[in-house]
Amino acid sequence: DVKVTQSSRYLVKRTGEKVFLECVQDMDHENMFWYRQDPGLGLRLIYFSYDVKMKEKGDIPEGYSVSREKKERFSLILESASTNQTSMYLCASSETGGSGNTIYFGEGSWLTVV
Amino acid sequence: GDSVTQMEGPVTLSEEAFLTINCTYTATGYPSLFWYVQYPGEGLQLLLKATKADDKGSNKGFEATYRKETTSFHLEKGSVQVSDSAVYFCALSSSGSARQLTFGSGTQLTVLP
Repeated sequence: DVKVTQSSRYLVKRTGEKVFLECVQDMDHENMFWYRQDPGLGLRLIYFSYDVKMKEKGDIPEGYSVSREKKERFSLILESASTNQTSMYLCASSETGGSGNTIYFGEGSWLTVV
Repeated sequence: GDSVTQMEGPVTLSEEAFLTINCTYTATGYPSLFWYVQYPGEGLQLLLKATKADDKGSNKGFEATYRKETTSFHLEKGSVQVSDSAVYFCALSSSGSARQLTFGSGTQLTVLP
């Protein structure tokens, strides 16, 4: 079975802390994604990566950075957490190629910044 | 750019009722279309997809037909169950787009026994 694993389901962090959200996929996928999900706004793409050490900004990259040192792992970093980054974060992965490829999601990480 | 417009929720139905969730899209070229479902407390999972015009995707009693002439991909189910209560997302993927999916805002469905 396809598996995208996010390391933490629930986190509470203080304003100004550096936060790491980790994601691992076991499908040898080239593409990996970080989304943010907020009520009424759907899913918004923060960053994506189409290869090791490669990354591209999505729609809302401000306040975030990412790291992809190994193919199976994609990390989202909040350099200095703020309360407006309280949200559900979803990691995903897919094969490269045609537009019909399925994207597989992790179960999500609920982050609360206080 | 690409966009997806979904029927706003929440939608509340009684068990065994007929379900339609409307989805229309704007895209260049010939996108693939998807419905994803998110059960409470979980991530998204693919429900069904269609990759070309007039294709019908189906799964678990749900169906959606790719209508290029009306740029639509409406989700339907003939008889919903309590276990179908979830958030449903329509999405598209344009060919050649590395960023893959553009999502609608999601529709919350609650099915009452």
